[in-house]
Amino acid sequence: ETGVTQTPRHLVMGMTNKKSLKCEQHLGHNAMYWYKQSAKKPLELMFVYSLEERVENNSVPSRFSPECPNSSHLFLHLHTLQPEDSALYLCASSQEGGLPYNEQFFGPGTRLTVL
Amino acid sequence: QQQVKQSPQSLIVQKGGISIINCAYENTAFDYFPWYQQFPGKGPALLIAIRPDVSEKKEGRFTISFNKSAKQFSLHIMDSQPGDSATYFCAATWAGSYQLTFGKGTKLSVIP
Repeated sequence: ETGVTQTPRHLVMGMTNKKSLKCEQHLGHNAMYWYKQSAKKPLELMFVYSLEERVENNSVPSRFSPECPNSSHLFLHLHTLQPEDSALYLCASSQEGGLPYNEQFFGPGTRLTVL
Repeated sequence: QQQVKQSPQSLIVQKGGISIINCAYENTAFDYFPWYQQFPGKGPALLIAIRPDVSEKKEGRFTISFNKSAKQFSLHIMDSQPGDSATYFCAATWAGSYQLTFGKGTKLSVIP
């Protein structure tokens, strides 16, 4: 595996379900991100982890719960979602502490549908 | 203040033509402006980026033009090819920030 991988690629869940999205980066980076991509809206940054500590939480509802057990893995735990949470969820990673501008490398995303 | 406004929303260009996508920003703290390219089923990938100390940056067929006084920047794709058909996002950030502020995207279709 190379780059940033995400599983599953597609997920359909009911509003009462609990599910998790997984992201793994194979780039040796030390920062990881969750974004939400909805049609005709800008990408929305949800969470940022740097060196396994959460450094950004952009007013995301508590039904989304991130977890970063190590610098290579990032999870997004989902529970009691709403239909408006249906979107493409993108994971990204970058290397902090090197360049002043951190290039973010994105995974292919998980297409989430909430029924 | 955090917005980046991108236009047009969609663009159809003949093969060999020039594709132009425009972005405008308000926050003068922004000092790095990347463009991302996204193909269907893939995540965005960095295409080209510019800092405001230069007015133009060219990489192959892709050129960013930057107007600091107008707070505008644009992407030009010369000799557009069907393989360039994708969604393009402009973005802005500042040194040391984790936050990339994205435009809404432009869906480019290059027809043979």
